[in-house]
Amino acid sequence: ETGVTQTPRHLVMGMTNKKSLKCEQHLGHNAMYWYKQSAKKPLELMFVYNFKEQTENNSVPSRFSPECPNSSHLFLHLHTLQPEDSALYLCASSLRSGGALETQYFGPGTRLLVL
Amino acid sequence: DQQVKQNSPSLSVQEGRISILNCDYTNSMFDYFLWYKKYPAEGPTFLISISSIKDKNEDGRFTVFLNKSAKHLSLHIVPSQPGDSAVYFCAASGRNNQGGKLIFGQGTELSVKP
Repeated sequence: ETGVTQTPRHLVMGMTNKKSLKCEQHLGHNAMYWYKQSAKKPLELMFVYNFKEQTENNSVPSRFSPECPNSSHLFLHLHTLQPEDSALYLCASSLRSGGALETQYFGPGTRLLVL
Repeated sequence: DQQVKQNSPSLSVQEGRISILNCDYTNSMFDYFLWYKKYPAEGPTFLISISSIKDKNEDGRFTVFLNKSAKHLSLHIVPSQPGDSAVYFCAASGRNNQGGKLIFGQGTELSVKP
C-alpha cells in the first residue's frame, strides 16, 4: 500500500464510450502524474499537475482529458479512444514537481482495454 | 530517443546469489536516479535512490552504484530471494532541464530461482 489508490483497476470500453479513471493520494503531496505503460515499453509520462495546475502535457491526444480538482484527486477522462490506447494507466504523486530529489509514489494502475 | 536504457530485458539468478541489474543514461544533466520494483498487476514500488553527489547508496540487501563518468548505474541485490522476482525499472530526473520529471528505462525482469 503506497498511499495512492486508483479506480477502477480494470476497464473495458468501446471506442464510442466515455469513461473516467480516478486517482487519490493520501500522502499530503502536491504533485500528481498520469503515466501510460504499453506492453514492452517504458513508462510514458502523460500529464503533470503541481498544486492543481497542469504543468506538463506530453503531447497527449485530446481524447485524453485530465482533471485535478484538488491536490489529492486526479482524473483522466477518456472519450473516443482507439484500440492502440489499450495499456496500463498509472497515477503517481510526489511532494511537488520540479524539486530536487523528488521521489514519485505510484498507484496500482488501471488496466484499460479498448475494443 | 531513449535517454535511459536497460539493455537486459531479463535476468535469472539462483537464490542466495547476487543479482546485478544495469542501467545506462545519456543525459549528463540527470542528477537523481531511482530504482522501482514492479510485480504483475501492481504499480511500481519505490526501492532505492541515489543523487549524483554520491557514488553508492545502500539499504539492507539493496545497493545502488553510480558511475557518472560512464553514465551508468547498477542495482545489486544480495542475497537474492525468490520474492525479489519482479520487473525492475531504473529512472532518472534532472532538476535543471527536466523539471523533476522521471524518465524510465524499459525494465529488466528478474527471476530468482530457489
